[in-house]
Amino acid sequence: AQSVTQLDSQVPVFEEAPVELRCNYSSSVSVYLFWYVQYPNQGLQLLLKYLSGSTLVKGINGFEAEFNKSQTSFHLRKPSVHISDTAEYFCAVITPYSSASKIIFGSGTRLSIRP
Amino acid sequence: DTAVSQTPKYLVTQMGNDKSIKCEQNLGHDTMYWYKQDSKKFLKIMFSYNNKELIINETVPNRFSPKSPDKAHLNLHINSLELGDSAVYFCASSQDRAAGELFFGEGSRLTVL
Repeated sequence: AQSVTQLDSQVPVFEEAPVELRCNYSSSVSVYLFWYVQYPNQGLQLLLKYLSGSTLVKGINGFEAEFNKSQTSFHLRKPSVHISDTAEYFCAVITPYSSASKIIFGSGTRLSIRP
Repeated sequence: DTAVSQTPKYLVTQMGNDKSIKCEQNLGHDTMYWYKQDSKKFLKIMFSYNNKELIINETVPNRFSPKSPDKAHLNLHINSLELGDSAVYFCASSQDRAAGELFFGEGSRLTVL
């Protein structure tokens, strides 16, 4: 069975500083990986996804993530954050070729931006 | 035009009551889900339906009963509400059961007093 771990429950950063939100996964088979963002009082929306191919994936709002198979990681990065990036971020994994496939979410990382 | 819409957005009710939350998606997706998000933001899958067929049922008390009248709708009925049922319930849909890209509704915040 697959699992996903988000190592930081909270990440405070100053506006215009770079940020990295960490995500590690565990699976014995190939996976698809995702980052979702949840703004206050809203549902989750997809930021970016890795299915195959280039290990560096770019998403909306200037975010990008790098798939690292050897380290089983999929960390999310942004070179310069804005106040509007304040939100909860969820990493997720799915094993796409299994009949029992289901998406598993990490526990979330709260990104808070200080002016 | 909202892709995944759920109603009501807020419910406040007494312990022991029964309540329902409705969900509709207009994306033409085959698979729909109910998730529960607790106060610590942890997301737990409750149920998933694929073309009206139940495919995931995650150790949820049988006071919770999903119903899918067609593949565009997935409703959640909760009997005999308990304090611990207070949470935000999210409906979501995906193109098929193996797709990881989910489209979420805005959530229904249930408060049980």
